[in-house]
Amino acid sequence: GESVGLHLPTLSVQEGDNSIINCAYSNSASDYFIWYKQESGKGPQFIIDIRSNMDKRQGQRVTVLLNKTVKHLSLQIAATQPGDSAVYFCAEIKDDMRFGAGTRLTVKP
Amino acid sequence: KAGVTQTPRYLIKTRGQQVTLSCSPISGHRSVSWYQQTPGQGLQFLFEYFSETQRNKGNFPGRFSGRQFSNSRSEMNVSTLELGDSALYLCASSSGATGGRGPGELFFGEGSRLTVL
Repeated sequence: GESVGLHLPTLSVQEGDNSIINCAYSNSASDYFIWYKQESGKGPQFIIDIRSNMDKRQGQRVTVLLNKTVKHLSLQIAATQPGDSAVYFCAEIKDDMRFGAGTRLTVKP
Repeated sequence: KAGVTQTPRYLIKTRGQQVTLSCSPISGHRSVSWYQQTPGQGLQFLFEYFSETQRNKGNFPGRFSGRQFSNSRSEMNVSTLELGDSALYLCASSSGATGGRGPGELFFGEGSRLTVL
């Protein structure tokens, strides 16, 4: 079956640097994508979403890029802060919602 | 505005028992969905309720069931517990009729961590 997956299970960055978290999806019919952040002991928190008819969407310090040609989704975090340390995972939506396994982001001071 | 509230936060059961978990959505939200999160399988969709009706269902056995009440509060039940049911069970609510699958957001609770011994 088709699935959502992440390229890297862990990512460590220096405080102040930019972070890029990647997600590969295989269902070309998915029409909506979401990035979530999950801190230890907490439920996932919505970060940003993007529709399939868009290539890019920006939020506060975050940007999501969608490349439908290679079925790739990325989350860029600008000026990464210690509070950004968490597990990030993407979700793709067509008839149901499927989640990626997650990438653990660690921000070093 | 209170967030999504899940109870209990932690519980321990033994194989063969059953468990009921509760979720109170954000006031005004009519869609409630449930997810199972494990280290091995990640986050998996269980089912979604909207206006007391199950609208979508994931690929889980019939031991997993749920319901939604007229005040939008929801419960999920797992019968004949197995060791593999040990997981964090997350509830999420949404205001939209799309159940969070369209523009907008899913608001997650902090989960109920179930350990099956």
